[in-house]
Amino acid sequence: QVQLVQSGAEVKNPGASVKVSCKASGYTFTDYSMHWIRLAPGQGLEYLGWINPNSGGTNYAQKFQGRVTMTRDASISTAYMELSSLRSDDTAVYYCARLQMETAYWGQGTLVTVSS
Amino acid sequence: QSVLTQPPSASGTPGQRVTISCSGSSSNIGRNTVNWYQQLPGTAPKLLIYSNNQRPSGVPDRLSGSKSGTSASLAISGLQSEDEADYYCAAWDDSLNGHWVFGGGTKLTVL
Repeated sequence: QVQLVQSGAEVKNPGASVKVSCKASGYTFTDYSMHWIRLAPGQGLEYLGWINPNSGGTNYAQKFQGRVTMTRDASISTAYMELSSLRSDDTAVYYCARLQMETAYWGQGTLVTVSS
Repeated sequence: QSVLTQPPSASGTPGQRVTISCSGSSSNIGRNTVNWYQQLPGTAPKLLIYSNNQRPSGVPDRLSGSKSGTSASLAISGLQSEDEADYYCAAWDDSLNGHWVFGGGTKLTVL
């Protein structure tokens, strides 16, 4: 079965960077794009962008361009999302997800807390 | 400001029927199908409806979806206490090299 397992919770100071990993199993990693979405306290789901694990090509939401970097290591079926210049309003649960028109598989989420 | 527009809240009593609307534009709902998710506190979103009106296996038939033009809606009939959750619509947007867009979410309260 398809599984996406994310790295553990992180606490970061303002201005720092965080890198979240997402290990995929149960399917061919390079066949499907990986998407990243976050849920901040009291807010709705917010889309960060996607990466094509086959080519490494990326497309970032305009709001995060310049601050987000998505990469992958196809040899270990793992995608990464790095967010830099963290601010308090980046405190959120970050999800990786394999999203398609007909199906959706989500990681368990990674809580990133930005606090001094 | 979410790309898709949903009402922030909705409510109903057990057994009632409630609907949640989702409004988009020609680059997303107008061209592509709509998915609906349910999110319970502390859990990942769960796919309830895909391709506007299709239910994954295990989703009860008292949930239904529809789409017309650049708007969509989710209907829940025979409301139950376990339906109390946040609901999100989502659609693929063809602009800017393609990306998913989400609604701001609707908090459903069962009174």
